[in-house]
Amino acid sequence: DTAVSQTPKYLVTQMGNDKSIKCEQNLGHDTMYWYKQDSKKFLKIMFSYNNKELIINETVPNRFSPKSPDKAHLNLHINSLELGDSAVYFCASSHRGGAGELFFGEGSRLTVL
Amino acid sequence: QQQVKQSPQSLIVQKGGISIINCAYENTAFDYFPWYQQFPGKGPALLIAIRPDVSEKKEGRFTISFNKSAKQFSLHIMDSQPGDSATYFCAAAPSGNTPLVFGKGTRLSVIA
Repeated sequence: DTAVSQTPKYLVTQMGNDKSIKCEQNLGHDTMYWYKQDSKKFLKIMFSYNNKELIINETVPNRFSPKSPDKAHLNLHINSLELGDSAVYFCASSHRGGAGELFFGEGSRLTVL
Repeated sequence: QQQVKQSPQSLIVQKGGISIINCAYENTAFDYFPWYQQFPGKGPALLIAIRPDVSEKKEGRFTISFNKSAKQFSLHIMDSQPGDSATYFCAAAPSGNTPLVFGKGTRLSVIA
């Protein structure tokens, strides 16, 4: 059983398109996150949700919109894709925010052409 | 103040050697310091973590050394093996709901 699962694993799309990445966790955690990992491997927090409520929204273009239908799911929708959005997007979850173990999904590699 | 500075960016170590990765932070509110290990094509996974009430924590071949006054912490991998080749991230967080802040990562290659 995969603890944090993301789909799709790979996305290749044209500039200007809209795409979504889905994330589900079966760990019973209250807090979920989206991280972006660029080509230099730098991991940057994008969003944090606790019990379906947005807690953290780092400086992310408003073309990125997270949605949490319930505490086990956190999806990421991206409008009007740009070349610079190419990256690996990781979903993660934890029992509580901050000082607790993060469980990451395997990542979704987005390539914008 | 939210940064965690990690060095070196890359590291090559002979099999059986000691790998050492260092991190420094500024925010004195940080009280949780984990290290994550990431293999190619996978998400990062927790390797070992420390809180500032101890100066060292050891789990198998992996040791965190923590220096609160210098605001530095480091990961030591003893008897490094080719299977340890991965990217390692240090991170830090204060108590509460603030998410982890990650260092920029160190790509470790252990060669036979």
